[in-house]
Amino acid sequence: RKEVEQDPGPFNVPEGATVAFNCTYSNSASQSFFWYRQDCRKEPKLLMSVYSSGNEDGRFTAQLNRASQYISLLIRDSKLSDSATYLCVVQYSGAGSYQLTFGKGTKLSVIP
Amino acid sequence: DVKVTQSSRYLVKRTGEKVFLECVQDMDHENMFWYRQDPGLGLRLIYFSYDVKMKEKGDIPEGYSVSREKKERFSLILESASTNQTSMYLCASSPVAYNEQFFGPGTRLTVL
Repeated sequence: RKEVEQDPGPFNVPEGATVAFNCTYSNSASQSFFWYRQDCRKEPKLLMSVYSSGNEDGRFTAQLNRASQYISLLIRDSKLSDSATYLCVVQYSGAGSYQLTFGKGTKLSVIP
Repeated sequence: DVKVTQSSRYLVKRTGEKVFLECVQDMDHENMFWYRQDPGLGLRLIYFSYDVKMKEKGDIPEGYSVSREKKERFSLILESASTNQTSMYLCASSPVAYNEQFFGPGTRLTVL
C-alpha cells in the first residue's frame, strides 16, 4: 500500500522562527519527491522538488533520506505569508508513473 | 502561465442526479487527473488519463467515470450522485516529461 505520512499540526510559530516538517513514505520504489503548498481555500501549488543531495530555495531547504524513507522541509525566518498547509508528495514508479501520492498535509500558522 | 480551469466553483445537486465536472487546460499537457479532497483524508486520486480516449483508475474510482475526447478537456462524471460524494474536486494536468502537476481552482460539490 502506498502511504505518505505527515504530522498534521497545526504548527503555530512566531514570525522569524525556524520550523521543520517531516514526512515518511512507505514504498521504497518511490522515484521523485516534492513539497506542495496549499493556501486556505486554494489549490495546491508546487513549492519545491526534493533531491537526494538536498536542495535550497531561499529560506526553504528540502532534504531526502532514501535509506530511512524520510523527507523534510525546513523554513527559516518564517513570514506571515508562509501560513499555509504543506503537502508532502511522492511519485511512485511502475504503471502510471506520473501518479502522485499526497500526504494529508501539515498546517502552519505564523503569528505576529 | 499554465492555466487549468474548472467549469464551476460551487455546485449543489440532489441525490441521484447525474453530475458533470469539466476541466480544461491550455498548455497541451498529455496527463490529466481528477482528485477529491476531504478534511482529514487529504487529496485522493479518482481517475487519470495519459492521452485522448485513455483513462486509468486511481485509488477511489467507485461511483465515478471520466471522459477524455479532446486533449485539453477531462470530464468527471457522477452517474448517480450520493451524499458521500460531497467534496472538493480538483483537476490537475502535467506534461509527460515533467512531474509537476498544475491544479485548477477546484469545484466544491454539495449533494443534498
